[in-house]
Amino acid sequence: EDKVVQSPLSLVVHEGDTVTLNCSYEVTNFRSLLWYKQEKKAPTFLFMLTSSGIEKKSGRLSSILDKKELSSILNITATQTGDSAIYLCALISGAGSYQLTFGKGTKLSVIP
Amino acid sequence: ETGVTQSPTHLIKTRGQQVTLRCSSQSGHNTVSWYQQALGQGPQFIFQYYREEENGRGNFPPRFSGLQFPNYSSELNVNALELDDSALYLCASSSHLAGGYNEQFFGPGTRLTVL
Repeated sequence: EDKVVQSPLSLVVHEGDTVTLNCSYEVTNFRSLLWYKQEKKAPTFLFMLTSSGIEKKSGRLSSILDKKELSSILNITATQTGDSAIYLCALISGAGSYQLTFGKGTKLSVIP
Repeated sequence: ETGVTQSPTHLIKTRGQQVTLRCSSQSGHNTVSWYQQALGQGPQFIFQYYREEENGRGNFPPRFSGLQFPNYSSELNVNALELDDSALYLCASSSHLAGGYNEQFFGPGTRLTVL
């Protein structure tokens, strides 16, 4: 059974800090790893990573996949209060239905 | 372009009752996936519908069932509700391509409370 473990489960930082969120996984047939941001209800897509070692970047957020270590990190630089959310890591594995297997998420709180 | 919509937003039921949740997929999308998110947990895959047929199912009992309609909207039905069914139910739509993955766009969810 595929498994996704995120750490830490919660994190409190001050505005301007840089944070690193971790995601490790066990999977039979890896296809892709995704990061989502969940503020109130609907998770919103951040990144999809398929190839190891290639950094995806969007503004202050960046993510990289290490297939050898079966892990990924999500970095947020110069954090703002608007970054406060739950960050979810998810796997796509196998073939066919492209179902997402999610971790429990990291709850990030950015205080002024 | 209309996003994914779900109804109702909130619902309160009692144990043993049945519930139907609805999802309208984003324009141009032909695949709908349903997820259950309990408090403090990540979403868990229930099932996916493509071309009106179930196309993958997670570890949920048969009392969780679904439908997809010709306009690609979908329903999730849960019979014989249990207290543990209390959760946020998320619907995600995507465009299924053979051999490829397209991003799943999530709706705002339905918060179900079972008393």
